[in-house]
Amino acid sequence: EDQVTQSPEALRLQEGESSSLNCSYTVSGLRGLFWYRQDPGKGPEFLFTLYSAGEEKEKERLKATLTKKESFLHITAPKPEDSATYLCAVQAKGGSEKLVFGKGTKLTVNP
Amino acid sequence: DAGITQSPRHKVTETGTPVTLRCHQTENHRYMYWYRQDPGHGLRLIHYSYGVKDTDKGEVSDGYSVSRSKTEDFLLTLESATSSQTSVYFCAISDPGTSGMKQYFGPGTRLTVL
Repeated sequence: EDQVTQSPEALRLQEGESSSLNCSYTVSGLRGLFWYRQDPGKGPEFLFTLYSAGEEKEKERLKATLTKKESFLHITAPKPEDSATYLCAVQAKGGSEKLVFGKGTKLTVNP
Repeated sequence: DAGITQSPRHKVTETGTPVTLRCHQTENHRYMYWYRQDPGHGLRLIHYSYGVKDTDKGEVSDGYSVSRSKTEDFLLTLESATSSQTSVYFCAISDPGTSGMKQYFGPGTRLTVL
C-alpha cells in the first residue's frame, strides 16, 4: 500500500528563519511526487512535480528536492505570506492517475 | 486558475437525507476526482472518473456514488447522509495529455450533516 508521511505536523518560524519540511513515502514505483500549498478555506494549489531522485525545483523562496525515500521542501527566508498548510502526494506507476496524500504540515511564519 | 467550480459551497443537512454535490470544469480535462478532507486524515479519494460514464472507487467510497454524463460535470451523491460524512469535499481535475499528472483543485464544499 502506498503511504506518505509528512513531518512535522506543525512548524512555527520567525520571518527570515529558513527551515525544511519533510515528506517520506513508500510507493510501488514512483511516477511522480507533488507538493501543494493550501490556504485556509481554499483548495490545494499546485507547487511542484518531481519525477526522479536527485531532481530539484524552485519557485521564489521554495525549493523541493527528491531522494528515493523522501522529499524536502526548503523554505528560505520565509515571509508571513508563506504561512499555509503544505501537502505532499505521490503517484505510483501502473497506469492509475490517483494521488495518495500526506496529512500536511501547517507552517506559520511570524513577523 | 483552473476553471473548476463546485456547488453548493456550503450545505447543512439532516441525517438520512440525500445530498448531491456538483463539480463543473471548463478545461475539458479527461479525469475528475472527488476527495474529502478531515482533520487528522488529510485528503482521501472517494471516487474518480477517467471519462464520460467511466468511474472507479477510491479508498473511502462506501456511502457515496458518482455520475458523469458530460465531460464537464461530475456529481457526488450521498444517498442517505450520515454524521460521519460531515467534511469538506474537493473536486479535482487532470489531463495527462495537456497538463501532465498534476491535479487542479476546486474551492471545496463544506457539508455538515446534523
